[in-house]
Amino acid sequence: EAGVTQSPTHLIKTRGQQATLRCSPISGHTSVYWYQQALGLGLQFLLWYDEGEERNRGNFPPRFSGRQFPNYSSELNVNALELEDSALYLCASSLIKDEQYFGPGTRLTVT
Amino acid sequence: GENVEQHPSTLSVQEGDSAVIKCTYSDSASNYFPWYKQELGKGPQLIIDIRSNVGEKKDQRIAVTLNKTAKHFSLHITETQPEDSAVYFCAATSWGKFQFGAGTQVVVTP
Repeated sequence: EAGVTQSPTHLIKTRGQQATLRCSPISGHTSVYWYQQALGLGLQFLLWYDEGEERNRGNFPPRFSGRQFPNYSSELNVNALELEDSALYLCASSLIKDEQYFGPGTRLTVT
Repeated sequence: GENVEQHPSTLSVQEGDSAVIKCTYSDSASNYFPWYKQELGKGPQLIIDIRSNVGEKKDQRIAVTLNKTAKHFSLHITETQPEDSAVYFCAATSWGKFQFGAGTQVVVTP
């Protein structure tokens, strides 16, 4: 069974640009979670999508947004990039409201 | 507010010794407590979990204990091996809301 996949693996953007990160959940999983992991830090919860709807969001500004598609894949968009947005962005999928399985992450670098 | 505290932040153990990582949580509604292992350059991997109706769970060299009254849970790794070296995260969840600890860097020296 394929795990959670994320693309791209690495993304380099300049300040002010927009970034789009993609996540495909494990087949059959309906929930997708997004986390930000800055270098050397823990996981900060960004967004939770379930059955196509945003269920919860963390303490991040509105320029962090996303959506979940009918096939349960998800996109994270970050507008007006700032240097401190540089981090590993992790996606996790879940069938029920626990047992999250993480993807390998997208490393976003903002210069 | 809701948070999870994890200790220690770094742990150095000799190969073959045991390692213990402790977490405390504040949300009394938390009912699921997973532990993740994150190796360099990879996403976190679920290694063991425990639910609120269970006090202890074991899987080979790894065990987790939960004390709901005191709101703390612990990860125990016995007979540590070099491949156990990684960052370990605890989490407490309630109705899909995950709170993660800050992580413990475990280094197992041969």
